[in-house]
Amino acid sequence: GAGVSQSPSNKVTEKGKDVELRCDPISGHTALYWYRQSLGQGLEFLIYFQGNSAPDKSGLPSDRFSAERTGGSVSTLTIQRTQQEDSAVYLCASSPTGTPGHSGNTIYFGEGSWLTVV
Amino acid sequence: AQSVAQPEDQVNVAEGNPLTVKCTYSVSGNPYLFWYVQYPNRGLQFLLKYITGDNLVKGSYGFEAEFNKSQTSFHLKKPSALVSDSALYFCAVRDGGGADGLTFGKGTHLIIQP
Repeated sequence: GAGVSQSPSNKVTEKGKDVELRCDPISGHTALYWYRQSLGQGLEFLIYFQGNSAPDKSGLPSDRFSAERTGGSVSTLTIQRTQQEDSAVYLCASSPTGTPGHSGNTIYFGEGSWLTVV
Repeated sequence: AQSVAQPEDQVNVAEGNPLTVKCTYSVSGNPYLFWYVQYPNRGLQFLLKYITGDNLVKGSYGFEAEFNKSQTSFHLKKPSALVSDSALYFCAVRDGGGADGLTFGKGTHLIIQP
């Protein structure tokens, strides 16, 4: 597709359930990012994938959060045993590359997955 | 470490007046600076970026931003505001010598009054 595609766009889940959020980056983009935006808050970095390198997981808030990227393209963010504080918009973004020397590349965002834990 | 500060939670401007949304940054290397806009219930849209060259950068929807190295600022501006410019604006920075993702400010709500 032309842009970053995320699904589902909206998800309501019960506390304690697991959820999976999917991101399909722009074709050819090697770098992929997940951010979280809580109500009234700024953007919180979660995880970053660059090509086949080991991901930067430094932003994941707890071990209930994990992400994978298969074949260097589609990524899935998994939240296990969801809690109410996990309610937020989860934004995926991609860019042509994230390596040094190319830090000026623009990062493009998807429309987000709006997660509500009840 | 890199950081961004947007000192104003909200900016109110009358339609037709010039607008400024403030941003200051901190990086150890050369700064790469970005502005994004978020309309209600939408993702972030890229507006403009400064990498190198002219300090005044022009972007989408008539917005521009001025890079000021001595003041470590990258304020977003528009000569004449439109009601449709009302949205949440994020400034972001990246260290030009690093491989990190963008670090975002907390965002500024821009409200354009008719």
